[in-house]
Amino acid sequence: EDQVTQSPEALRLQEGESSSLNCSYTVSGLRGLFWYRQDPGKGPEFLFTLYSAGEEKEKERLKATLTKKESFLHITAPKPEDSATYLCAVQEQGGSYIPTFGRGTSLIVHP
Amino acid sequence: KAGVTQTPRYLIKTRGQQVTLSCSPISGHRSVSWYQQTPGQGLQFLFEYFSETQRNKGNFPGRFSGRQFSNSRSEMNVSTLELGDSALYLCASSRDRGDTEAFFGQGTRLTVV
Repeated sequence: EDQVTQSPEALRLQEGESSSLNCSYTVSGLRGLFWYRQDPGKGPEFLFTLYSAGEEKEKERLKATLTKKESFLHITAPKPEDSATYLCAVQEQGGSYIPTFGRGTSLIVHP
Repeated sequence: KAGVTQTPRYLIKTRGQQVTLSCSPISGHRSVSWYQQTPGQGLQFLFEYFSETQRNKGNFPGRFSGRQFSNSRSEMNVSTLELGDSALYLCASSRDRGDTEAFFGQGTRLTVV
C-alpha cells in the first residue's frame, strides 16, 4: 500500500478556474509534508513544508493546507504558467529522514 | 546563491557500460540524496550521504553505488547498464540530515540503448 497517494493524476483547468489537488498519507507520525512543483525535464522546485494539522501556507496563487490524514494544494485563479506536475512527499517521525513521494498530479491550465 | 548543480545534463550509453553522475550541492549543505525518476515509478530514493558516509540506501541493486567527498560533492555510479536504467537522476541537497527543506538539481537524463 502506498504511503502517499495523490489525486487526481491529471487535471485540466481553464485559466481562472480555481481547484484543489489532494495528497493523502498513511504514516503513523508526520514529521513534515512537502509540496514541490516540477516542470518537464527539470528537477522539482520546493514550494512548502507543513508540519501539523491546521497549518496553512501561501505563495502567490497557491495555498497548502494540512489535516491529520491529507493535504490540499489550492490553486486560485490559475494561469497557464502554473501548468506543471505537483509532487507531495511525507517525512515520517522517528524514521530514516527520507521522504516518500507521491506520483504527482499533472496540471494543465488552458488560456 | 548557486543552486544544486548536476553534470552532465544528458547522457546516452550502451547496455553493459557504466556511468558516473556528479552532484554539487548548495554551498553549506552537507546532506545529499539521489533519486531515480521514471514515468512508471515516480521518484524512487537511491541513497543519502552525509559527512562522506552513506546513511541510507534505497531498494536498488548493487550496480548502483555512490560516494560523497569532503567538500560535500557527490557522485553516483551505475555499472553494467540495463535498458531499464533509463531515467532522470535527481540529486537533492539540504543543510543537515532530516532538514525539511531540500533543493533539487535539474537532473541528469540517462538514456541506455
